[in-house]
Amino acid sequence: DVKVTQSSRYLVKRTGEKVFLECVQDMDHENMFWYRQDPGLGLRLIYFSYDVKMKEKGDIPEGYSVSREKKERFSLILESASTNQTSMYLCASREVGYGYTFGSGTRLTVV
Amino acid sequence: AQRVTQPEKLLSVFKGAPVELKCNYSYSGSPELFWYVQYSRQRLQLLLRHISRESIKGFTADLNKGETSFHLKKPFAQEEDSAMYYCALNSGNTPLVFGKGTRLSVIA
Repeated sequence: DVKVTQSSRYLVKRTGEKVFLECVQDMDHENMFWYRQDPGLGLRLIYFSYDVKMKEKGDIPEGYSVSREKKERFSLILESASTNQTSMYLCASREVGYGYTFGSGTRLTVV
Repeated sequence: AQRVTQPEKLLSVFKGAPVELKCNYSYSGSPELFWYVQYSRQRLQLLLRHISRESIKGFTADLNKGETSFHLKKPFAQEEDSAMYYCALNSGNTPLVFGKGTRLSVIA
């Protein structure tokens, strides 16, 4: 009963490529989030969205953008991938007043 | 600003020993605290939240507003408890703030 789906489990991209990470949730949640997870640094918020076509910067938005054209889909875009963006990317959605449901993550390697 | 501190990066205990994963927070309002767990090769999942006051997999956590803490405890550690644990703070309708995590290793 997967509820938050990230399209790729592993990705390898070249420096300078434009990268799209897709996330879809089937719980009709309004809130969606993108985090990156790095050892020793925990989860750091990149962008979030509380409604369709709405987006807010998180703590580390530089080098990233997002798109939310439909309620169920929240895409993270790396405009020009760099090696320091090699990381595990986690998408989550939330019903207001409750905790997050996370996707299984996308491990991105930029070479 | 809201902040969550997990002072231990790694905690190793023997099977059957008590476990306490520490979490302290900084927030002037009325917080909502969570513990999330990530087992090897699995997605991050909610372990418990202070509002529900329930025990999950033998773990409990009590919110101590005086000490601004939400430590996670289990009386007898099991090998399957080995995982990464994150404490998180919710302050209204804002994104969760996570600590940096503690890796629990239970030694047989």
